[in-house]
Amino acid sequence: AQSVTQLDSHVSVSEGTPVLLRCNYSSSYSPSLFWYVQHPNKGLQLLLKYTSAATLVKGINGFEAEFKKSETSFHLTKPSAHMSDAAEYFCVVSPGGGNKLTFGTGTQLKVEL
Amino acid sequence: EAGVAQSPRYKIIEKRQSVAFWCNPISGHATLYWYQQILGQGPKLLIQFQNNGVVDDSQLPKDRFSAERLKGVDSTLKIQPAKLEDSAVYLCASSLGLAETDTQYFGPGTRLTVL
Repeated sequence: AQSVTQLDSHVSVSEGTPVLLRCNYSSSYSPSLFWYVQHPNKGLQLLLKYTSAATLVKGINGFEAEFKKSETSFHLTKPSAHMSDAAEYFCVVSPGGGNKLTFGTGTQLKVEL
Repeated sequence: EAGVAQSPRYKIIEKRQSVAFWCNPISGHATLYWYQQILGQGPKLLIQFQNNGVVDDSQLPKDRFSAERLKGVDSTLKIQPAKLEDSAVYLCASSLGLAETDTQYFGPGTRLTVL
């Protein structure tokens, strides 16, 4: 069985400050891990994915995430938030070798001026 | 490249009525998925097709939900009869295949409200 836990349901940051969205995973196998973003009234968009290559993964729009096996974590970061980053972010796990996705409950990111 | 298309975007029905959603995946994508996203939760996989065959429907409430992908391209998800708890956004996604490197691309979803 596999699952992800997003530790914060809401995160609020000021524009220009760093973003940290936390995710812990549980998996019986070497998992693949993803972050997806969902803007209002738009489809889910893949930000980045980890599939057992480099542990530091760079994605679109300046986001990156680091796979830490010892901590079973896959936190999403961005050095400087922009207003357009305001959205809901989902941490997602799938079993290594497969592509059946299990989503977390989401973190709503608010960016203030 | 055109993305995943879904229609309608919004639907309001009364309980016990029937409803159907349509999805057109990205051209050339063999694998198609239907997800249910209840407000405040992450999407949950309902059914997965590979071409016109079902790969996984373990989370589909088969007493009221059905889905088909007859020609291996478009797909339809039906609910009959609908219950209040079916109110959700229904997302369609597609990918090239079943490999872990095959990214899933999502459509905009259909928001269903059951009164």
